[in-house]
Amino acid sequence: DQQVKQNSPSLSVQEGRISILNCDYTNSMFDYFLWYKKYPAEGPTFLISISSIKDKNEDGRFTVFLNKSAKHLSLHIVPSQPGDSAVYFCAASGSSISGGSNYKLTFGKGTLLTVNP
Amino acid sequence: DVKVTQSSRYLVKRTGEKVFLECVQDMDHENMFWYRQDPGLGLRLIYFSYDVKMKEKGDIPEGYSVSREKKERFSLILESASTNQTSMYLCASSFGDRGSGETQYFGPGTRLLVL
Repeated sequence: DQQVKQNSPSLSVQEGRISILNCDYTNSMFDYFLWYKKYPAEGPTFLISISSIKDKNEDGRFTVFLNKSAKHLSLHIVPSQPGDSAVYFCAASGSSISGGSNYKLTFGKGTLLTVNP
Repeated sequence: DVKVTQSSRYLVKRTGEKVFLECVQDMDHENMFWYRQDPGLGLRLIYFSYDVKMKEKGDIPEGYSVSREKKERFSLILESASTNQTSMYLCASSFGDRGSGETQYFGPGTRLLVL
């Protein structure tokens, strides 16, 4: 049972345009969400995160939007650059039954973004 | 900057060999994790540790064991390597507090080929 879903395995955009990567989750206990970027043969790199008390977080060209009622988040990259071509993973965390951390992140399967020059 | 290092970038082993993958982090993080990444399957958690000498199974622990004798070091052991353990292995660490403390920082990965 996939609790974090990235329904698009791949996305192709032109350089300079907006890239929108989507992620859906099913677990209502998730309250912290992250995006990672991964190049081939390298480890994932943390990109940006958002807490469930916010609906938007921005860092330079990257903005994450959270819609809690729809259990949906998206990553916007504006403008897209060829160096952004990578696999993007969405991840989520939530509290344990006792309210503390359950330590783990639940990852989606990733979306391959290709930015064409 | 958080630094997570893994002992090897590429490794070739024979079926039946015992394989050790080492991971070291330099940020005094409480939690450490081992994942494997396979095409189309995303990142799958093998084991994690939230304290020295503590470990918990992840989603796919079969065929693996782990050791955490020191806070900064987390080892993944393949007791008897098999060809279906050919994969990219990723180590990560996190501080541990709720929210931003749950952000995991990854090492560069070890690409293991079992022949």
